Amino acid sequence: LAKTTQPISMDSYEGQEVNITCSHNNIATNDYITWYQQFPSQGPRFIIQGYKTKVTNEVASLFIPADRKSSTLSLPRVSLSDTAVYYCLVGDYGGSQGNLIFGKGTKLSVKP
Amino acid sequence: EPEVTQTPSHQVTQMGQEVILRCVPISNHLYFYWYRQILGQKVEFLVSFYNNEISEKSEIFDDQFSVERPDGSNFTLKIRSTKLEDSAMYFCASSGDAGELFFGEGSRLTVL
Repeated sequence: LAKTTQPISMDSYEGQEVNITCSHNNIATNDYITWYQQFPSQGPRFIIQGYKTKVTNEVASLFIPADRKSSTLSLPRVSLSDTAVYYCLVGDYGGSQGNLIFGKGTKLSVKP
Repeated sequence: EPEVTQTPSHQVTQMGQEVILRCVPISNHLYFYWYRQILGQKVEFLVSFYNNEISEKSEIFDDQFSVERPDGSNFTLKIRSTKLEDSAMYFCASSGDAGELFFGEGSRLTVL
């Protein structure tokens, strides 16, 4: 399973765009990149998943360069309620549903 | 929106006692998981379950742990003889073919 590295913490202000980058140098061909959000005392919640290039949904965008050795989660115009821990995970989800390994995540603090 | 439900939300037990944590996954999902999170630490994978058997398990999931799907809806985690270090938040998750994991709100286990 590919190991991921992401900043331990980030600070931002309301209304700003936040970009969190994750490194996964030994990502495998079948691996997808998935980001989860976790609030204190709650279970992680799926944000976005991608394989290559760019994926966008109503919550975030995910940018993946051609070599797929990193990815960037982009949160547009954050609010106080976006304060949470964000996890980048890499794994093969094709059928076998292999286990997901959570790293320490990035603790995002959004200030007024 | 369908969700994963877990009971109890909080359980306090004495060291050495057996504990059963219960989960109702999303109804059409086929893959089930247990994770745990010790306070202030990262989310740790315990076990995955598919087609009525364990798919993968971590080193944490030793002989004191077992999982079962006793009927068509419940998925349980049993800790046979709890230890102090088993105190944690236990999260159940389920997924379909898309790979997105849906987590429950967790069961907080306190071992005294």
